[in-house]
Amino acid sequence: GAVVSQHPSWVICKSGTSVKIECRSLDFQATTMFWYRQFPKQSLMLMATSNEGSKATYEQGVEKDKFLINHASLTLSTLTVTSAHPEDSSFYICSVRGWGGSVNTEAFFGQGTRLTVV
Amino acid sequence: RKEVEQDPGPFNVPEGATVAFNCTYSNSASQSFFWYRQDCRKEPKLLMSVYSSGNEDGRFTAQLNRASQYISLLIRDSKLSDSATYLCVVNSLRGKLTFGTGTRLQVTL
Repeated sequence: GAVVSQHPSWVICKSGTSVKIECRSLDFQATTMFWYRQFPKQSLMLMATSNEGSKATYEQGVEKDKFLINHASLTLSTLTVTSAHPEDSSFYICSVRGWGGSVNTEAFFGQGTRLTVV
Repeated sequence: RKEVEQDPGPFNVPEGATVAFNCTYSNSASQSFFWYRQDCRKEPKLLMSVYSSGNEDGRFTAQLNRASQYISLLIRDSKLSDSATYLCVVNSLRGKLTFGTGTRLQVTL
């Protein structure tokens, strides 16, 4: 399967600051990457689809100005949580789809970033 | 109704037991299905894809019933290391993956 590296694995920040999370596809070029968020005891919720060289597509209810996504290369997507607040504390995970980019292939995930805003 | 529904559990079973999880999905147009395993505070990892004809991987067997819109996962000879949360994942519209909330399994001595 695909190898996806996410950094940092955890971060604690003060309310009002911004946090950048990086997601790298290590063994193939990913034109599309996905960002999810998971609150305790809840399912993963898709936040946005990151598209290389173009704007990200955000899911309903996700503020694009708060969660900035940049996908400048085929192997790197970044998610920046701007002006973070305690309610943004969550587990953020990126993923890529399997080889060939078929919509039916499985997803492979980064290690996730546990964000705590104090 | 949720798009993907699972019994959250927990399922507490002794080592060596057989345990089965079910998952139902609401979108009849869904095209592909997966079971993922998620350990506490870790990322999900693919356990197996689910095929229409059913498929087996060692102690794990997955079944798909399109008519009833449910997916199952059977784990035989449970081991302590099987303790985790099992996520049912459905590929819905336009390739979007929808996750169930997961079923927690605790295997005990």
